[in-house]
Amino acid sequence: GQNIDQPTEMTATEGAIVQINCTYQTSGFNGLFWYQQHAGEAPTFLSYNVLDGLEEKGRFSSFLSRSKGYSYLLLKELQMKDSASYLCAVSDSNYQLIWGAGTKLIIKP
Amino acid sequence: DVKVTQSSRYLVKRTGEKVFLECVQDMDHENMFWYRQDPGLGLRLIYFSYDVKMKEKGDIPEGYSVSREKKERFSLILESASTNQTSMYLCASSSPAPSGRVPEQFFGPGTRLTVL
Repeated sequence: GQNIDQPTEMTATEGAIVQINCTYQTSGFNGLFWYQQHAGEAPTFLSYNVLDGLEEKGRFSSFLSRSKGYSYLLLKELQMKDSASYLCAVSDSNYQLIWGAGTKLIIKP
Repeated sequence: DVKVTQSSRYLVKRTGEKVFLECVQDMDHENMFWYRQDPGLGLRLIYFSYDVKMKEKGDIPEGYSVSREKKERFSLILESASTNQTSMYLCASSSPAPSGRVPEQFFGPGTRLTVL
């Protein structure tokens, strides 16, 4: 079957760095997405990786290793507004998105 | 500014009622999706559509149907609402893949449906 695993919840301190991991097993691979979702709101797109390596976008970076079925989202200089759920999703061989359950990130002052 | 809108943010219905959830996008996207989101579970695909008049079942289509009469509009129908359909319903749209563009899905604000 197809499976996306990510931690349920993480806690970090304002100003620090946090890494959210995602491992996947899917039938085929056409890219990996990270979305941010604040409580009660819709998911919003953060990043897309289709090749191995690190993609940096401001305070957020996303890494992909296709051979290991592994990705992480790195958030630097954490701000209180980064408190949200972070969703990992993989596009499979049919370009369907398979979603992880999300990681709830709690930022403490 | 790209936009996906949903007809209601909150809905309360009774068991057995027919429920219509509407979604409209203004990005001229071919692809549209309906998901439900429940605590502790990932987004689960109910139905999707790659073109007008076209629909495909997702992972959990039972108890639902859809309609896509116009490119910009995708409706989700609960034929006879049940309490286990209480959930957050999210509509999304995207460009077709592969298209040379990042195939991100754009989401509407969601409809929180409660079935009593």
